[in-house]
Amino acid sequence: DIQMTQSPSSLSASVGDRVTISCRASRGISNYLAWYQQKPGKVPKLLIYAASTLQSGVPSRFSGSGSGTDFTLTINSLQPEDVATYYCQKHNSPVGTFGGGTKVEIK
Amino acid sequence: EVQLLESGGGLVQPGGSLRLSCAASRFTFGSYAMSWVRQAPGKGLEWVSTISGNGGATYYVDSVKGRFTISRDNSKDMLYLQMNSLGADDTAVYYCAVCYSDYVYDYWGQGTLVTVSS
Repeated sequence: DIQMTQSPSSLSASVGDRVTISCRASRGISNYLAWYQQKPGKVPKLLIYAASTLQSGVPSRFSGSGSGTDFTLTINSLQPEDVATYYCQKHNSPVGTFGGGTKVEIK
Repeated sequence: EVQLLESGGGLVQPGGSLRLSCAASRFTFGSYAMSWVRQAPGKGLEWVSTISGNGGATYYVDSVKGRFTISRDNSKDMLYLQMNSLGADDTAVYYCAVCYSDYVYDYWGQGTLVTVSS
């Protein structure tokens, strides 16, 4: 089975900072990588799929990149409402393994 | 907009059983794969199971194989998860989610809490 590893597990940044979160697959998954945002006490929300395609309605400060085994979620100009835990998920098969999550806080 | 409403959660003793349901509406239910994803208290998301649109193919995480059964009734727009031999590690909020394409979880329900405790 393919494992998904995220780093860091948590980070603290200032409003306006550029934030990057990494996700690594144990084997290549082409561009079948999604990112979800889960705010405290809320349901996860799809942000990005196919590694770099922004879901409708998601602010353009969010972007994704990568292919194969290494992927990145970038938040340009971090906002207070971006405080959340972010998860990557491989979507190349019905086995939808998630990464362990990255908790983003405001410094 | 797509609606997914889970039910059936609750407190169950170790070794017990529970059946979760997910009522779907506002999309062509039978055309899409559906999944269950769980989240233990204070922990991350864990994919549990996926079923194809016609119900002919099912997939499970290793930790629930042989204990959980995913099924669907496309005539009723309903998704189910039968959970047997429950243990403390199964305590979690269980979400149902629809996969519009390529197993991306486009929409999620609000979740139902399953607590396994004596």
